[in-house]
Amino acid sequence: DAGITQSPRHKVTETGTPVTLRCHQTENHRYMYWYRQDPGHGLRLIHYSYGVKDTDKGEVSDGYSVSRSKTEDFLLTLESATSSQTSVYFCAISDGPDTDTQYFGPGTRLTVL
Amino acid sequence: AQKITQTQPGMFVQEKEAVTLDCTYDTSDPSYGLFWYKQPSSGEMIFLIYQGSYDQQNATEGRYSLNFQKARKSANLVISASQLGDSAMYFCAMRDQPGRRALTFGSGTRLQVQP
Repeated sequence: DAGITQSPRHKVTETGTPVTLRCHQTENHRYMYWYRQDPGHGLRLIHYSYGVKDTDKGEVSDGYSVSRSKTEDFLLTLESATSSQTSVYFCAISDGPDTDTQYFGPGTRLTVL
Repeated sequence: AQKITQTQPGMFVQEKEAVTLDCTYDTSDPSYGLFWYKQPSSGEMIFLIYQGSYDQQNATEGRYSLNFQKARKSANLVISASQLGDSAMYFCAMRDQPGRRALTFGSGTRLQVQP
């Protein structure tokens, strides 16, 4: 199994508070991703990183920011959490170049009250 | 933009029988790949199988195989000899944009294997 951890695994917070989710990998993979999963939508890309300090927006990036200061860590921040950001958040990693197979972390369940 | 469609919200199959989960896609990228992931009730996402658009043969991994029909833009997952542990959500995915490595996913199919 790919060495990917996410913290926290569960979090309950209130509307308007900042929240940071952490993804940590031990595989030294170049690419890292944040997805959210909601019923009926599969997984949707929030942001991804193609190297240290290199990031790009995904389909549902509004209200989220990311940072990657080290290869092994990719942080997702909700600057001011809203109830619509209640979701399960998955981090994934990949290395390329031949395939884009992504390996996922265990997920973080976030509830915004 | 790439699009993945899974038209079967739910499927039932008897234990030991084969089942096909449908996936159709739309892309302008001449080079692409299709992925299938499994998500059991415990929530983790498990990579199952990959098919590249230029691969000459359909991909196989154990009891999983891909029925890849490029002209029809379909990449159906076939699970042979279903087991109770195959009960899960199954997602089809592909790159979300040409030249970019992020994936776009279908909405998934929930498979229930009955004894």
